[in-house]
Amino acid sequence: ETGVTQTPRHLVMGMTNKKSLKCEQHLGHNAMYWYKQSAKKPLELMFVYSLEERVENNSVPSRFSPECPNSSHLFLHLHTLQPEDSALYLCASSQEDTANSPLHFGNGTRLTVT
Amino acid sequence: DAKTTQPTSMDCAEGRAANLPCNHSTISGNEYVYWYRQIHSQGPQYIIHGLKNNETNEMASLIITEDRKSSTLILPHATLRDTAVYYCIALDHNDYKLSFGAGTTVTVRA
Repeated sequence: ETGVTQTPRHLVMGMTNKKSLKCEQHLGHNAMYWYKQSAKKPLELMFVYSLEERVENNSVPSRFSPECPNSSHLFLHLHTLQPEDSALYLCASSQEDTANSPLHFGNGTRLTVT
Repeated sequence: DAKTTQPTSMDCAEGRAANLPCNHSTISGNEYVYWYRQIHSQGPQYIIHGLKNNETNEMASLIITEDRKSSTLILPHATLRDTAVYYCIALDHNDYKLSFGAGTTVTVRA
């Protein structure tokens, strides 16, 4: 149990599908993050939400659409993805008003786009 | 954030201490040294972090040189479950943009 729960763990979708990834944190944190990890590449920061406001959009294509309805939940809505979007998508949370707050990660959603 | 350099891989024997080096020669005074690890098919796991002083917790010890240009993560009694990729990151305490490099692939052998 990591304190950050991601569902589903695995997802296979076609290029014309619409799906959503869900993240829930049980740590009382006020910031949440989406990262992408492609095979043999370092983690890439995609989006950051602080106090439910988006504070970072790291040049991510519009086919990825984040949503943060409250401080405990984060979604990543996916539509018309490409095969190169296949990757491990990781959610993380932290406490931004506490100095040196480390990130806590979920175990990710393994996405395959066919 | 300062760039960090780590060996690509290392092996260690089960039950022995594992010493993982990291160079961060351009680190600034505001940047902390963070260590994370990622076990296969899981998300990264926070291990420890420090600024100037050596730090210890239930997972590991962090030794930072006096000039802060390098550090060593010590796993005191490595187990097979410590096999993972270990990431050393220099991060300003006001910055949330945690950037991971390639890390060190540590293999603990029985």
